Amino acid sequence: GQNIDQPTEMTATEGAIVQINCTYQTSGFNGLFWYQQHAGEAPTFLSYNVLDGLEEKGRFSSFLSRSKGYSYLLLKELQMKDSASYLCAVRNSGYSTLTFGKGTMLLVSP
Amino acid sequence: SAVISQKPSRDICQRGTSLTIQCQVDSQVTMMFWYRQQPGQSLTLIATANQGSEATYESGFVIDKFPISRPNLTFSTLTVSNMSPEDSSIYLCSVPGQGVYGYTFGSGTRLTVV
Repeated sequence: GQNIDQPTEMTATEGAIVQINCTYQTSGFNGLFWYQQHAGEAPTFLSYNVLDGLEEKGRFSSFLSRSKGYSYLLLKELQMKDSASYLCAVRNSGYSTLTFGKGTMLLVSP
Repeated sequence: SAVISQKPSRDICQRGTSLTIQCQVDSQVTMMFWYRQQPGQSLTLIATANQGSEATYESGFVIDKFPISRPNLTFSTLTVSNMSPEDSSIYLCSVPGQGVYGYTFGSGTRLTVV
């Protein structure tokens, strides 16, 4: 099975940088995803890591260390619209199913 | 990435009744997934809908309560049967993306059971 941990809530200021951590313990691993979910909306895909290292996509970057069972999502130049829940999800090896963490609610203040 | 049309977007149902949720994908996909998201919680996988075979249910979910149909590679339904207030949740369907693209989700069905 999978166990995924991420902080429940974080706060940051507009224009700042925030790092959301995710740790996982898994019996199999075939990639890690980050999703953004605004209240009342479906999750939207942000990033995908399957190999160790950093993936950068504009203001968003995601890092993975498979040996440590650790990932983070880095958000730069925060904007008010970045206030949302951020979900870490692990794909099980041999299957295509995703297991989601409980999500981190990020509040960006002026 | 695929585009998913999910219906209904919301419904209020009486306890003891059933609701069927539909997802239509604009491309053929081998697997479709159904998730539940209870208020303030993350997503929990209910089952994987496979075309041509029975759905695969996760621990804690059973076919009698959540029957799934998958008549072709672009369409699936999830029925929430004999509903109780504890079934009040958002239900979402999802399909895998291609390569490094993430999984796509339907817009969700917000179900309230009274």
